[in-house]
Amino acid sequence: AQSVAQPEDQVNVAEGNPLTVKCTYSVSGNPYLFWYVQYPNRGLQFLLKYITGDNLVKGSYGFEAEFNKSQTSFHLKKPSALVSDSALYFCAVRANSNTGGFKTIFGAGTRLFVKA
Amino acid sequence: SQTIHQWPATLVQPVGSPLSLECTVEGTSNPNLYWYRQAAGRGLQLLFYSIGIDQISSEVPQNLSASRPQDRQFILSSKKLLLSDSGFYLCAWRVGQGTEAFFGQGTRLTVV
Repeated sequence: AQSVAQPEDQVNVAEGNPLTVKCTYSVSGNPYLFWYVQYPNRGLQFLLKYITGDNLVKGSYGFEAEFNKSQTSFHLKKPSALVSDSALYFCAVRANSNTGGFKTIFGAGTRLFVKA
Repeated sequence: SQTIHQWPATLVQPVGSPLSLECTVEGTSNPNLYWYRQAAGRGLQLLFYSIGIDQISSEVPQNLSASRPQDRQFILSSKKLLLSDSGFYLCAWRVGQGTEAFFGQGTRLTVV
């Protein structure tokens, strides 16, 4: 079955420290992987994606993610966290649909708290 | 540039009343369109997706239906709302196979 797992409900980090939000996936074929961020009562905003190429992907707001095929992981990272990074983060994977197109499967989300 | 409009932003409806949420996309053609529901501020559940006009796929059995009368219009409906239909509804679109999805601002539906 195609799925995405975010094992941590919540991640707490102090401002200025590095942060990691974990994601593992299960999908047939080559994975197309995404990270999104959601602020309260808003839609999701795209951060970055991996399709092919370099395993380290750089995205918006200083975030990056590392694709690891052997561990089927796509962890989100940032070298120095900001209080404004506090939000809900979703990992997602492109999956095949029954109609021949594609759909996006999201993880359950990880809430990031950055303390000043 | 492409934009997505979703309305209303908030909605309070009584149990048993009908529902119609609308989503439109501008600046692109033949997008894939999606309706998601987010409960309790956490995970997203895919409700419906559409690869073209009048082509709707349902992911989970439920009290809701979707329609796509025009290429860039996606409507979520219900004939009779249930309390369990409360949640945050998000419309999204994408074009192409490897591209990211773009989301509307969401509609918070409260059924009372």
